[in-house]
Amino acid sequence: EVQLVESGGGLVQPGGSLRLSCAASGFTFSSYEMNWVRQAPGKGLEWVSYISSSGSTIYYADSVKGRFTISRDNAKNSLYLQMNSLRAEDTAVYYCVVGAARWWFDPWGQGTLVTVSS
Amino acid sequence: NFMLTQPHSVSESPGKTVTISCTRSSGSIASNYVQWYQQRPGSAPTTVIYEDNQRPSGVPDRFSGSIDSSSNSASLTISGLKTEDEADYYCQSYDSSAWVFGGGTKLTVL
Repeated sequence: EVQLVESGGGLVQPGGSLRLSCAASGFTFSSYEMNWVRQAPGKGLEWVSYISSSGSTIYYADSVKGRFTISRDNAKNSLYLQMNSLRAEDTAVYYCVVGAARWWFDPWGQGTLVTVSS
Repeated sequence: NFMLTQPHSVSESPGKTVTISCTRSSGSIASNYVQWYQQRPGSAPTTVIYEDNQRPSGVPDRFSGSIDSSSNSASLTISGLKTEDEADYYCQSYDSSAWVFGGGTKLTVL
C-alpha cells in the first residue's frame, strides 16, 4: 500500500522559514516524479513544485519561485520542500503527491498545515 | 499559461445525473489530458477520472469524463447520484511545465 506522510508544518511568522518532509513507502520512490500541491483554507488546489525522479529537473509555480526549494533523497525515500521568506498567503495545507504520469497527480498524502501569521 | 473555469456549485437529487464543466481559457482542451479529483471535507483529493475519460480501479462506472473541442471544455458526469458523492470536484490539466487546476465545484446531493 502506498503511503505518503507529510511532516514539518506549523505556525511561523512572516518572513520565516519552514522545511516540509514527505516520507514515502509502498512503491519504488526513485522511479516516480513528485510534486507539492497546496490548498489555502476554504480555497482550491494550487500546484507548487515538481521534481523529476532523479532530481535533475525541477519546476516551481510563479507564486513561490525564488523562495521555495524542492528536493528529494531517493536513498531515504523522502521528498522535501524548503520554504523561505514565508508570507501570509502561503498559509495552506501542503500535500505531497506522486506523479502517476507527468500530467496526473496520484496518490496524495494527507497533507500538513502551514500557518504564516504573527 | 491557461486557466480552467468550473461552476462554483451544482446540486441535484439522489438518483439523478449531474454534469460539471471545465472550460479551458486558451489552447485546445484536446491537446493535454484532463483529470478530475474528488475531495471530501477534511480529506485529501482522490482521482475519479484521468486522461480525459479513464476511471481508476475502484471508481464506480457512474463516473465518466469527456472532452468537447467545440466548447473547449471537459466534463465530469455522475449518474445515479448518491449522497456519498457530495464533495468538491476539481479538474486539472498540464502544459509545458505548468500544472493547472480549476477552481473547484461543490456538488450538493439533496
